[in-house]
Amino acid sequence: AQKVTQAQTEISVVEKEDVTLDCVYETRDTTYYLFWYKQPPSGELVFLIRRNSFDEQNEISGRYSWNFQKSTSSFNFTITASQVVDSAVYFCALGWTGRRALTFGSGTRLQVQP
Amino acid sequence: GAVVSQHPSWVICKSGTSVKIECRSLDFQATTMFWYRQFPKQSLMLMATSNEGSKATYEQGVEKDKFLINHASLTLSTLTVTSAHPEDSSFYICSAPLSAGGPNEQYFGPGTRLTVT
Repeated sequence: AQKVTQAQTEISVVEKEDVTLDCVYETRDTTYYLFWYKQPPSGELVFLIRRNSFDEQNEISGRYSWNFQKSTSSFNFTITASQVVDSAVYFCALGWTGRRALTFGSGTRLQVQP
Repeated sequence: GAVVSQHPSWVICKSGTSVKIECRSLDFQATTMFWYRQFPKQSLMLMATSNEGSKATYEQGVEKDKFLINHASLTLSTLTVTSAHPEDSSFYICSAPLSAGGPNEQYFGPGTRLTVT
């Protein structure tokens, strides 16, 4: 089955703390794509990153970093020095060849307290 | 960059009426568009795939006679919720793959919040 699991329903941190959002996926395809999206209260999805299954290099973009580990089927997302503006729901998603739509995880609601 | 718009951004309708939601790709052509539904505090679930010039493909459990999809042109797909009921209240989001983009790469519309009273 093709599936994405985000076990953390809600996380609350204090500003400037680091926080890691977990994402575990299941797929039978060898070629697949993993995504992270941010959904602020407005509802509009904000694209954060796309990673293909052949590229296990970790990625850093400013305060954001991603750790892709095929051995554990995980694609975790870390926010360093969190800010109040990071408060949102974060979705991990999976795509694969033959299906252009995405399968989303259940989302993790992040609340960053000032 | 590529932009997908939706109209309206929110709508309130009475039970039993029909509501049409538009999804437009503003600066690119989209032969395929996707419609997702998101209930409060839940994830996005794919409802259907809209195909220009042919019938839409619906996911299991989605009533095709209730959620009518028309992909009228290469830049417009519409979702009509017929005989809406309170349980249809949800956030509807469309997306369009960029044909020149990578696999599964797509642009999401801002969403339409439907409330059925």
